Amino acid sequence: DAGVTQSPTHLIKTRGQQVTLRCSPKSGHDTVSWYQQALGQGPQFIFQYYEEEERQRGNFPDRFSGHQFPNYSSELNVNALLLGDSALYLCASSGGTGYTEAFFGQGTRLTVV
Amino acid sequence: EDQVTQSPEALRLQEGESSSLNCSYTVSGLRGLFWYRQDPGKGPEFLFTLYSAGEEKEKERLKATLTKKESFLHITAPKPEDSATYLCAAIQGAQKLVFGQGTRLTINP
Repeated sequence: DAGVTQSPTHLIKTRGQQVTLRCSPKSGHDTVSWYQQALGQGPQFIFQYYEEEERQRGNFPDRFSGHQFPNYSSELNVNALLLGDSALYLCASSGGTGYTEAFFGQGTRLTVV
Repeated sequence: EDQVTQSPEALRLQEGESSSLNCSYTVSGLRGLFWYRQDPGKGPEFLFTLYSAGEEKEKERLKATLTKKESFLHITAPKPEDSATYLCAAIQGAQKLVFGQGTRLTINP
């Protein structure tokens, strides 16, 4: 079992650009959640996808959008990047009927310059 | 406002010196609590799920307990390899985890 996989692992973008991050959930999991973790802080919930729809969203602007594919993999898109978007972006996978466990990928380190 | 607070922010112990980390929470629609370990630059590693007050879970040198308002992660006779940031996360509804800021644990040999 490959667990949760994220790509790329590191990314450097220029302010104003757009970025797409990718996540494949753990085998048997159908729900994907995205989190942003600033240095020295706990992860902050961005949104969750289940059955290809956004099920809940945290306090993030519309510049943050996502998608889930029929194979349960997911993408996080961020438009008009700001310096403050620099962070570790984490994907978590879980079962759709509610949390009994949630496993995270290794994250994508995004640096905006 | 939903909030999870961990204390202390940082803890430095000698190898073999037992201690406890605290996680207190005020979260609406709480369904349970997760504990994670996170190494620098890596994603959180799942440790425990706790659902109800009085519940306890153990794994090697770690034991997690839950009351109605807080959870504790007890570490017994720690080793240097236990050095990491420990995160707790309240499970809100079916969709969302509310994380604390973490406790950075350092075990000196």
